[in-house]
Amino acid sequence: DTEVTQTPKHLVMGMTNKKSLKCEQHMGHRAMYWYKQKAKKPPELMFVYSYEKLSINESVPSRFSPECPNSSLLNLHLHALQPEDSALYLCASSQDEGVYPYNEQFFGPGTRLTVL
Amino acid sequence: DAKTTQPPSMDCAEGRAANLPCNHSTISGNEYVYWYRQIHSQGPQYIIHGLKNNETNEMASLIITEDRKSSTLILPHATLRDTAVYYCIVTGGGNKLTFGTGTQLKVEL
Repeated sequence: DTEVTQTPKHLVMGMTNKKSLKCEQHMGHRAMYWYKQKAKKPPELMFVYSYEKLSINESVPSRFSPECPNSSLLNLHLHALQPEDSALYLCASSQDEGVYPYNEQFFGPGTRLTVL
Repeated sequence: DAKTTQPPSMDCAEGRAANLPCNHSTISGNEYVYWYRQIHSQGPQYIIHGLKNNETNEMASLIITEDRKSSTLILPHATLRDTAVYYCIVTGGGNKLTFGTGTQLKVEL
């Protein structure tokens, strides 16, 4: 199984709502990632979890809160978002940092988020 | 990580080879070249990576110049399904991939 799944596929939320994005992989990968992609732009890294611990936070606003409950699951909790946060949110996973330099990341299809 | 420069768009006839260039003149000795692609409305997909030798897999070939300042991704027989944005990424390893603006490849009949 080389698939990363993300739910929901689409999400519309108001600026006062609280919602969560979910990501799951069953490849035994120990690193998981959140990326944000605006229309016609490349993906931008937000967070990296390695062995269920947050290892990289790319200065993301606190209205985005990641969580890694176990090695197969990654959540992104959303609260008080702004319309400019509307984007495609991509999850990815890879073998751990120790497998240098092979860094193939497997991406999910993304959640398309619209903030009204 | 070294910065990369790619042409914004390229066209290729179906069945012909697609040669996608990437300039990475500031690459350092321990940095690898990775290629990913993103088909419309999908997540990016890993294609290939290399350090200094040419590499080939079932998807593509990667040619890296001797001075390592540039590389070319070759899709030997492009099909319509290869229409995508192709990203060249240079990184010293670890978990951080920085995507540039990429090349939009359009394969046409």
